Amino acid sequence: AQSVTQLGSHVSVSEGALVLLRCNYSSSVPPYLFWYVQYPNQGLQLLLKYTTGATLVKGINGFEAEFKKSETSFHLTKPSAHMSDAAEYFCAVRVPSGTYKYIFGTGTRLKVLA
Amino acid sequence: GAGVSQTPSNKVTEKGKYVELRCDPISGHTALYWYRQSLGQGPEFLIYFQGTGAADDSGLPNDRFFAVRPEGSVSTLKIQRTERGDSAVYLCASSPQGTGDEQFFGPGTRLTVL
Repeated sequence: AQSVTQLGSHVSVSEGALVLLRCNYSSSVPPYLFWYVQYPNQGLQLLLKYTTGATLVKGINGFEAEFKKSETSFHLTKPSAHMSDAAEYFCAVRVPSGTYKYIFGTGTRLKVLA
Repeated sequence: GAGVSQTPSNKVTEKGKYVELRCDPISGHTALYWYRQSLGQGPEFLIYFQGTGAADDSGLPNDRFFAVRPEGSVSTLKIQRTERGDSAVYLCASSPQGTGDEQFFGPGTRLTVL
């Protein structure tokens, strides 16, 4: 069975500082992994995804994530935080067959301090 | 093009009432998913349609919940005898063929049961 753990329900960083949001997964097969962002009163927007191939994945708005099989991790990073990055971030793993539904983590709310 | 739309955006009802939540997926997307997001949690899978049929309804919490997609496009999530615990944001997502590609999410319907 697949599962996702996001460490830290709330993260605060200063504007211009490194953003690091943690995601660990459990999967019995090679996973497909996703990061979504949710702004207030809006739907989930895909930031980036890992399916196969290159383990360092670049996404929108300067975010990237690295798939590390040995650590079962898929942490999200951004070198320099911007005020507009304040939002809730969800990591998800896709069920590998059948429905291909997503299993989401509980989310991390990012606060950016001026 | 148009994204996934959901109506209403907000629904307030009284305990015991019946509600319907509507989802218009992206045109041409054959796969449609419903998720429920409770406060402070990540989205949880409810039901998956491939075309007109519910291919997986294992996430529906009980028999008060039902969903249809009669023509393979618009879907309606129906909740009978609503309870206060049903209060959540109900998210709809669609993807081209349900093969594991990115799911595109709508803005959600916030349901409040008084």
